[in-house]
Amino acid sequence: QVQLQQTGPGLVKPSQTLSLTCAISGDSVSSAGAAWHWIRQPPSGGLEWLGRTYYRSKWYNEYAVSVQSRITVNPDTSKNHFSLQLDSVTPEDTAVYYCTGESGGGLDFWGQGALVTVSS
Amino acid sequence: QSALTQPPSASGSPGQSVTISCTGTSRDIGTYNYVSWYQQHPGKAPKLMIYEVSKRPSGVPNRFSGSKSGNTASLTVSGLQTEDGADYYCSSYTGSNGFVFGTGTKVTVL
Repeated sequence: QVQLQQTGPGLVKPSQTLSLTCAISGDSVSSAGAAWHWIRQPPSGGLEWLGRTYYRSKWYNEYAVSVQSRITVNPDTSKNHFSLQLDSVTPEDTAVYYCTGESGGGLDFWGQGALVTVSS
Repeated sequence: QSALTQPPSASGSPGQSVTISCTGTSRDIGTYNYVSWYQQHPGKAPKLMIYEVSKRPSGVPNRFSGSKSGNTASLTVSGLQTEDGADYYCSSYTGSNGFVFGTGTKVTVL
């Protein structure tokens, strides 16, 4: 069974970079057929897809238009994890952030979620 | 990319059925059969209930079913049980813009 464990700070200052890591157990970040996503959910709000990374003979990344200029999702094969970097954050980036895994058509596996607050 | 449109709420008595709609466009639901549905209880991570329009992951009761017609997808929960009370979100692949979620529907079991 695939498990995802998120780590990262819960408080980030405005204009700084939000960084989160998602450790994968039970699968490989470079597994053919899998993809690894970041999703967020503002307080009392809905889900927002942020981006994903996946390996199909080479690495691919896709990002939401809304954060395209500020986001980086990187795989790390040596540690079997993937990360989220969101630059120049504002209070509107305050949300619960989830890492998720897709093995065949849907987001099957979810991390525990982490509330990240952007505040000075 | 705008969020897919769902009704804010839906309800039914135990044993009844409830259907939730998810309306997109020809650039997402209308083109791709990558529609998923997620159930989320308060304070919990979402759970995949339906993928690729109508497929159920292992362990999801067959009371949950999905369908699609044109730019609109639907999730039906038959034989409602109290534990089905939760928020439900649809999602679709959009091609070059990645994925988009729906606005969410709160299902209440009366």
